[in-house]
Amino acid sequence: DGGITQSPKYLFRKEGQNVTLSCEQNLNHDAMYWYRQDPGQGLRLIYYSQIVNDFQKGDIAEGYSVSREKKESFPLTVTSAQKNPTAFYLCASSIVGTGKYGYTFGSGTRLTVV
Amino acid sequence: AQSVTQLDSQVPVFEEAPVELRCNYSSSVSVYLFWYVQYPNQGLQLLLKYLSGSTLVKGINGFEAEFNKSQTSFHLRKPSVHISDTAEYFCAVSLDAGKSTFGDGTTLTVKP
Repeated sequence: DGGITQSPKYLFRKEGQNVTLSCEQNLNHDAMYWYRQDPGQGLRLIYYSQIVNDFQKGDIAEGYSVSREKKESFPLTVTSAQKNPTAFYLCASSIVGTGKYGYTFGSGTRLTVV
Repeated sequence: AQSVTQLDSQVPVFEEAPVELRCNYSSSVSVYLFWYVQYPNQGLQLLLKYLSGSTLVKGINGFEAEFNKSQTSFHLRKPSVHISDTAEYFCAVSLDAGKSTFGDGTTLTVKP
């Protein structure tokens, strides 16, 4: 079955470390997204990409970086510049050119700073 | 630009009671409307969607939603909830280009 795989499910980061969250999809979707979720704050868009080798900043891109070298993969790096990275991170994908199918989400990665 | 407002951040309800989760949207063009459900520590799952046609849309787990164009609303309803319906629910709108805008979510808590 097609879907989105996020790994790891849980991740612990020490102060000053960079960490990378993986997101892989086999849905043949062109667009991929990263969201951050904090309690009571809904989903906040970090970065999105609608085509390979191109991506755009979302609402809270500071302290994060992404790459889109393959259609299937959209990894997110949480850099040491992100001062409050503890959160639940969700990856999603969609078809470009029509909104009628909505988004498919991964199961998330919970990042904790220790 | 489109926006989504979920009017209730938390909705507590007793088991077997009916529930309505409210969602209003604004957009200058036609949109597609969605409800997603998120169980603790999981991703979002599509509950139902409105594309066109009948304004009453049925989804999974006995949920339904009604599209009201004049009131720009897309409220989610269930006639009798179960403990297992306890989750966070997100309303979303999507344009033809594919990008979605999400509401802030409504936490539904079903009490025994």
